[in-house]
Amino acid sequence: GAVVSQHPSWVICKSGTSVKIECRSLDFQATTMFWYRQFPKQSLMLMATSNEGSKATYEQGVEKDKFLINHASLTLSTLTVTSAHPEDSSFYICSAPGLEGKNEQFFGPGTRLTVL
Amino acid sequence: GQSLEQPSEVTAVEGAIVQINCTYQTSGFYGLSWYQQHDGGAPTFLSYNALDGLEETGRFSSFLSRSDSYGYLLLQELQMKDSASYFCAVSLYGESGWGKLQFGAGTQVVVTP
Repeated sequence: GAVVSQHPSWVICKSGTSVKIECRSLDFQATTMFWYRQFPKQSLMLMATSNEGSKATYEQGVEKDKFLINHASLTLSTLTVTSAHPEDSSFYICSAPGLEGKNEQFFGPGTRLTVL
Repeated sequence: GQSLEQPSEVTAVEGAIVQINCTYQTSGFYGLSWYQQHDGGAPTFLSYNALDGLEETGRFSSFLSRSDSYGYLLLQELQMKDSASYFCAVSLYGESGWGKLQFGAGTQVVVTP
């Protein structure tokens, strides 16, 4: 199946700093990617849809100025958490869709962000 | 808005059969997917139903009834490695096209010897 990678796999930062997370589709092109956040023992919450060549679409309640998304190429989307605070500590996961008929999403391994 | 309901936890012994139900209320429904997630890992795709009926993939089967806004995942011949969280997710058509997923809260399946 298709492979999606994320980097870094974990990051610890100080409050007030910015953190960039990369999501790459390794063996296929993705004009659309999705970013999710997952708190411990909870579900995946869709944050935004990353669109290659255009602005990201954010879900209701997600601050677009805090969570900057850039879909620079057909294989790379980045999520930057700006001015991170302890409440931003979470598991961030990206995904890319596969073939439309099967509707399978390929998820990256996730990035564990801890803000001190 | 959208909402999905599934049981929070199910416990069963090795070799048993487990059914995880999922009811949903959505607009713009495309289909129902099921994902498995082990602790600390990424979700992995199990099954997808766009039409009513049963889809079988090895030990896992999934069912959908669009008229009842209901689906289930059936896990047969349970193995210890099946201990994980299982999420149902509705596929929605977003501004960027298809592929947007709304996840349920997840069902923790615990398999005991």
